[in-house]
Amino acid sequence: AQTVTQSQPEMSVQEAETVTLSCTYDTSESDYYLFWYKQPPSRQMILVIRQEAYKQQNATENRFSVNFQKAAKSFSLKISDSQLGDAAMYFCAINPGGATNKLIFGTGTLLAVQP
Amino acid sequence: DVKVTQSSRYLVKRTGEKVFLECVQDMDHENMFWYRQDPGLGLRLIYFSYDVKMKEKGDIPEGYSVSREKKERFSLILESASTNQTSMYLCASLTGTANTEAFFGQGTRLTVV
Repeated sequence: AQTVTQSQPEMSVQEAETVTLSCTYDTSESDYYLFWYKQPPSRQMILVIRQEAYKQQNATENRFSVNFQKAAKSFSLKISDSQLGDAAMYFCAINPGGATNKLIFGTGTLLAVQP
Repeated sequence: DVKVTQSSRYLVKRTGEKVFLECVQDMDHENMFWYRQDPGLGLRLIYFSYDVKMKEKGDIPEGYSVSREKKERFSLILESASTNQTSMYLCASLTGTANTEAFFGQGTRLTVV
């Protein structure tokens, strides 16, 4: 079975600063896919960034980047130059791929951005 | 613009009622999912479907059933609603490829009184 753990229920960052959200996971699959989703107060889930486990290079999308440590089963999200619009719930998720195509989510981290 | 649409944004039902939550996607996706979202518990998978008339139990299927008669529509059914099913319900769809983005509906906040 796959599990995703987010150990930080809440985080806070000053505008323009950098913050890192933690995520660890467990899976027995060798090829899998990791995601960070953002859920603002509107409740609409938005994909922030994705990482394929077979790729060693960390994914980057503008101000968002990941630190993917496959051996440690760690997948943290770094947000640089934080903006007020980054305030949201952030969910880490894994798709184990293979015969079962589904997303398993963590418990989320609520990020507050202070002006 | 791709879209996943849930039939209601807010719903109030009485204990013991049969409740239907409907979800429609217009992307011809094979896979559809129902999640329940509760504070501190994240998104928990209730049921998913990888094809018409096919369904698989997720992590918390008790008290729920699903129906997928057409590819674009995936329904979540609460046979006899109970107060502990008060929650936010999210529908999602996904192509057959695991590295692709899942698309979500806007959520249904269900209150059972």
